[in-house]
Amino acid sequence: KQEVTQIPAALSVPEGENLVLNCSFTDSAIYNLQWFRQDPGKGLTSLLLIQSSQREQTSGRLNASLDKSSGRSTLYIAASQPGDSATYLCAVRPEGNAGNMLTFGGGTRLMVKP
Amino acid sequence: EPEVTQTPSHQVTQMGQEVILRCVPISNHLYFYWYRQILGQKVEFLVSFYNNEISEKSEIFDDQFSVERPDGSNFTLKIRSTKLEDSAMYFCASSPSTWTTASVFGEGSRLTVL
Repeated sequence: KQEVTQIPAALSVPEGENLVLNCSFTDSAIYNLQWFRQDPGKGLTSLLLIQSSQREQTSGRLNASLDKSSGRSTLYIAASQPGDSATYLCAVRPEGNAGNMLTFGGGTRLMVKP
Repeated sequence: EPEVTQTPSHQVTQMGQEVILRCVPISNHLYFYWYRQILGQKVEFLVSFYNNEISEKSEIFDDQFSVERPDGSNFTLKIRSTKLEDSAMYFCASSPSTWTTASVFGEGSRLTVL
């Protein structure tokens, strides 16, 4: 059974700092990995989608990498801002017949202090 | 940008009552999903729906749950006899196809069972 773990569970940084959020998964047989942002009491906003054949994806100040064989992904946030404060979730989509479902990690709760 | 719309945003119900949560997926999407997030826990997959039938479901999605696409736009989740442990945020999502495309999530419907 696929397990997705995110470390750290919470992170507090001063504004302007570059930071890395980590996501690991136990079964490397995945189609893709998706990073989401969740604000308190709100829905999930998709940030980046990395296919299993890709190594990284970039969107603005965000860069996500994927090492499928080792079961790891990182989300790099450059020059963090208070508006980046949210919970960041990673989710993997498995290969095979179960490819419709996403398995989520527990999230990293990020606070960026002004 | 197209959105997945969910109603109601919050529903309070008594244990044993039936609840219907509604979703309007993005119009050209073919795959529809329900996920739930119990407070403080991970987002969990419930069910996926394609071509007017369930394509996958999790162990959580027992006989108390059902899904329906009653017309060309709505996608509903019904809980027949709610239990206290059904209290959670329920997210609807859709994607244009599966495997390689990003899922787009709605804002969620918060269900409180008393």
